[in-house]
Amino acid sequence: SAVISQKPSRDICQRGTSLTIQCQVDSQVTMMFWYRQQPGQSLTLIATANQGSEATYESGFVIDKFPISRPNLTFSTLTVSNMSPEDSSIYLCSVEYGGTTSGNTIYFGEGSWLTVV
Amino acid sequence: AQRVTQPEKLLSVFKGAPVELKCNYSYSGSPELFWYVQYSRQRLQLLLRHISRESIKGFTADLNKGETSFHLKKPFAQEEDSAMYYCALRNTGGFKTIFGAGTRLFVKA
Repeated sequence: SAVISQKPSRDICQRGTSLTIQCQVDSQVTMMFWYRQQPGQSLTLIATANQGSEATYESGFVIDKFPISRPNLTFSTLTVSNMSPEDSSIYLCSVEYGGTTSGNTIYFGEGSWLTVV
Repeated sequence: AQRVTQPEKLLSVFKGAPVELKCNYSYSGSPELFWYVQYSRQRLQLLLRHISRESIKGFTADLNKGETSFHLKKPFAQEEDSAMYYCALRNTGGFKTIFGAGTRLFVKA
């Protein structure tokens, strides 16, 4: 299995500021994913981050607002820029890992709960 | 377009009763289907996947391609099954997973 650590676990942020969320994995993984889970809603994929290349963003998400770094195979950061109250959400880091006969498994971090005031 | 629909936001059953959490999907190819579970104060984790055809914690799910469904079932619910359950789909050969809105299961004593 893969163990994922996310920091911060929660934070209260002033509107207009930016916050960087860190995601550390205890194993080397090719793909890391960032999801957003807004209150009462499901998980929405923000982007996929591969080491050594630019992140691939989903429709509705742009690099200027959510810049992502992936400097190595065990670490990634997501920055939420120029925050507004609409960015209040849980941000989840996840990875695919395993390679068993049943395929890879997706593992999730505990999430970073951001509240923008 | 890929879509996962979980029609029930909340499902409440008594302990020992059968439980079925519904999941329907929309996808033109052959998807991989999963159920994820999030217990209180824990992180989201994989419960089972259709290609394994396994039973985990008494739960099973059968992929019905004709009805495009992947309902999660358990014959006798336990209080510890109370959690948030998400159905998820990944396209074959792809790497993106999309999630349904989730169903909160509450098992009453």
